[in-house]
Amino acid sequence: NAGVTQTPKFRVLKTGQSMTLLCAQDMNHEYMYWYRQDPGMGLRLIHYSVGEGTTAKGEVPDGYNVSRLKKQNFLLGLESAAPSQTSVYFCASSYEAREVETQYFGPGTRLLVL
Amino acid sequence: KQEVTQIPAALSVPEGENLVLNCSFTDSAIYNLQWFRQDPGKGLTSLLLIQSSQREQTSGRLNASLDKSSGRSTLYIAASQPGDSATYLCAVAGNQFYFGTGTSLTVIP
Repeated sequence: NAGVTQTPKFRVLKTGQSMTLLCAQDMNHEYMYWYRQDPGMGLRLIHYSVGEGTTAKGEVPDGYNVSRLKKQNFLLGLESAAPSQTSVYFCASSYEAREVETQYFGPGTRLLVL
Repeated sequence: KQEVTQIPAALSVPEGENLVLNCSFTDSAIYNLQWFRQDPGKGLTSLLLIQSSQREQTSGRLNASLDKSSGRSTLYIAASQPGDSATYLCAVAGNQFYFGTGTSLTVIP
């Protein structure tokens, strides 16, 4: 199993450009999450999904959109990138049953917005 | 809103020493607490998960405890090794997942 994979690994954008980050998991997990990690801030939840076709807002959703058209994929979109969105983005997935289930993380995508 | 704090932010110890990392949280209404390890430039790897009804979990040289009423968890690492050098993060699962900012551990050979 590849686990959780993220594409791309690194990207540089200019302010105002758009892009989509792709997360894929091959563990048949129901739940998927997008986080951003910034120095001194820890990981913060952007959006999450509890199943195919569903999405929900996390702690810091503004400026991002997501889609979960297929169970194995979770897309994070930036419609008009801003320098404040420079960060490392992590995708994670879990089966369900929050009481007992851990999250599995991808390797991250480093995004620089100039 | 849940606030998760980890102290210390950085720790440097000689090889072989036993050490304790601390995690505190403000809202005791949690499903579980997890400890993760993050190596530089990498994703997070789960180390231990403690359900809200449990008091501790052990895996090898690692032992994590949970005191929900006081909003505290500790990660105990026995006989530290240079390979343990990494950042350790705790996360609590409530209505959402909330992470601490981590403790950066360096084990000196």
